[in-house]
Amino acid sequence: DAKTTQPPSMDCAEGRAANLPCNHSTISGNEYVYWYRQIHSQGPQYIIHGLKNNETNEMASLIITEDRKSSTLILPHATLRDTAVYYCIVRVTGNQFYFGTGTSLTVIP
Amino acid sequence: NAGVTQTPKFQVLKTGQSMTLQCAQDMNHNSMYWYRQDPGMGLRLIYYSASEGTTDKGEVPNGYNVSRLNKREFSLRLESAAPSQTSVYFCASSEAPGASQPQHFGDGTRLSIL
Repeated sequence: DAKTTQPPSMDCAEGRAANLPCNHSTISGNEYVYWYRQIHSQGPQYIIHGLKNNETNEMASLIITEDRKSSTLILPHATLRDTAVYYCIVRVTGNQFYFGTGTSLTVIP
Repeated sequence: NAGVTQTPKFQVLKTGQSMTLQCAQDMNHNSMYWYRQDPGMGLRLIYYSASEGTTDKGEVPNGYNVSRLNKREFSLRLESAAPSQTSVYFCASSEAPGASQPQHFGDGTRLSIL
C-alpha cells in the first residue's frame, strides 16, 4: 500500500504562495493523490485530487511529478484562514481514506 | 449549501447508555461513511454505505450499528457506550464509492463517555 511522507510543519508569510510537498514513492498506477485539510475542531475539508495530470481549482493547484512519486500542493496567496493541518493521501482501500499525520501549516501575518 | 450536517455537535454519556448520531447530506450523494478520529490514530472507518439500502463494515465496527434511513441520512448507533468509544465522530459522503471520488466531511460529533 502506498504511503506518504510530509514535513511535520511549515510556515508561510501571508500573501505568499504556500508550497506543501508530499512524497509517495510507492504509489501504484491506479492510485489517486488527494489533499485535505483540517482546521482545529472542524471536519476534514477536501481540497483537490489528481491521478497523473496537474490540477487546479478555486482553492489550490496540484502538481504531480511525471514519475508520480511526489506531488506539491500550492496555495497561491496564503491567508491566515489557511492555517491548518494538510493531509496528502494516496491510499484508499475498501472505501477508507487513510489520513496520516500531515503537515501543520502556519500562515504568519 | 449545508453539505454534510451532523447532530449533535457535543454529547456526554455514561457507560452503558445508548445513543444515535445523526448525519444528513444535501448533495444527492450515493455513498456515506462514518469515521472516528482519535489522537495519534488518524481517521478510522467504522461503517459505510455504498448506496441506499446497503451497509458494510469498515476497519473498526465493533460496538456500533448503522442505518441508511434514505439517500440523505445515515445514522450511527452506540447500543451500550464504553469509555473506549470516547472520540470525535465524522460523517462523510461521496457521489459514488471508490478511490476516484472525494469524500466530503461534516464537522463532527464530540462524544465523551464517562
